[in-house]
Amino acid sequence: NAGVTQTPKFRILKIGQSMTLQCAQDMNHNYMYWYRQDPGMGLKLIYYSVGAGITDKGEVPNGYNVSRSTTEDFPLRLELAAPSQTSVYFCASSPTQSMTQHFGDGTRLSIL
Amino acid sequence: QKEVEQDPGPLSVPEGAIVSLNCTYSNSAFQYFMWYRQYSRKGPELLMYTYSSGNKEDGRFTAQVDKSSKYISLFIRDSQPSDSATYLCAMSGGNNAGNMLTFGGGTRLMVKP
Repeated sequence: NAGVTQTPKFRILKIGQSMTLQCAQDMNHNYMYWYRQDPGMGLKLIYYSVGAGITDKGEVPNGYNVSRSTTEDFPLRLELAAPSQTSVYFCASSPTQSMTQHFGDGTRLSIL
Repeated sequence: QKEVEQDPGPLSVPEGAIVSLNCTYSNSAFQYFMWYRQYSRKGPELLMYTYSSGNKEDGRFTAQVDKSSKYISLFIRDSQPSDSATYLCAMSGGNNAGNMLTFGGGTRLMVKP
């Protein structure tokens, strides 16, 4: 029973590099979310998707892009990494009619 | 002012104590209230979920919502060292596309044996 799986778990990037954070869920949830968590700041929503082919911006979308070609996968892309993007990134999913979200264990990203 | 406020702690208590964790909020449209528990280096996991005002009990955990005061609480009875974690409150008005949640910053709890 995998739930929400995020890869990689850790990554160090240099300024200006790009990378994709992977997120997959096996619960057939329509809704998926990307958050970043900075110390003491709670979770900030970056992007979300209500179904395959549909994505929308959250509270802090600048510097990120997403795509949703299948129900299962929701990758997050950083095009030009900046030190301000050093954070822990969480992916979550939710059934359509539920307010509760299920989280992966995060990707810890450092940009130096 | 943040939309959801939560004391960051850390809150340190002895094993067996009753713990009270709280959040205040400013948006009167919030109707759905959740508590998530997050262990170190793990993702948040749903602990309690309530709709509108009132109490909800699940084992050692009780969630309270007072919408008139815009104040929610989580009580933990007979606290255990395994309860040591960060507790995040989350809430939503339920009328936004994607059922988006607004999170508090989290309170770190340490239960000492």
